[in-house]
Amino acid sequence: KNEVEQSPQNLTAQEGEFITINCSYSVGISALHWLQQHPGGGIVSLFMLSSGKKKHGRLIATINIQEKHSSLHITASHPRDSAVYICAVRSRETSGSRLTFGEGTQLTVNP
Amino acid sequence: EAQVTQNPRYLITVTGKKLTVTCSQNMNHEYMSWYRQDPGLGLRQIYYSMNVEVTDKGDVPEGYKVSRKEKRNFPLILESPSPNQTSLYFCASSRGQGARNEQFFGPGTRLTVL
Repeated sequence: KNEVEQSPQNLTAQEGEFITINCSYSVGISALHWLQQHPGGGIVSLFMLSSGKKKHGRLIATINIQEKHSSLHITASHPRDSAVYICAVRSRETSGSRLTFGEGTQLTVNP
Repeated sequence: EAQVTQNPRYLITVTGKKLTVTCSQNMNHEYMSWYRQDPGLGLRQIYYSMNVEVTDKGDVPEGYKVSRKEKRNFPLILESPSPNQTSLYFCASSRGQGARNEQFFGPGTRLTVL
């Protein structure tokens, strides 16, 4: 079992839909990252979380430390949101220096 | 402009021919790392560095070397590349390791070893 698991692996939505991507992890963490990888390959950091909730524009990220679960929500989705979304955790057990990644969720938003 | 640069962006080489992928950041970040990305396996950390002359292995260090002689540069060295090192490589940097520190990624280097 991977330390970080994302669901779903693939997600297709219509423009305007509310989207949720889930991330579950099995280790104690000091931080959780959500990343976005565009079709060209570039990776951008969206959020870093250690507790609670963060919002940036149409994106919202939440984390529940007790349940070892995080969600990334996209409101009013748009075709430009089409990308791979990757969850990564910074493990407390390895002095916080190593990042472990989920396999990513491929999101396609159709117009 | 704050950025992480990698060179080359694309490289095709042959088994056993030593190569270096350079990584440089202009943000005075202490923390730098190298990742490889493979289909079905996602991103995996190869090596990381917490500061000049301080490096440590990630999850998949075999076949790779790194050095951190200057704060801005963190080259990845493949002494004797093999076909299983064909992959997409990313360098990243951050100010530190904690939860407040955003990771900045380079554009990626697509390596093919024949």
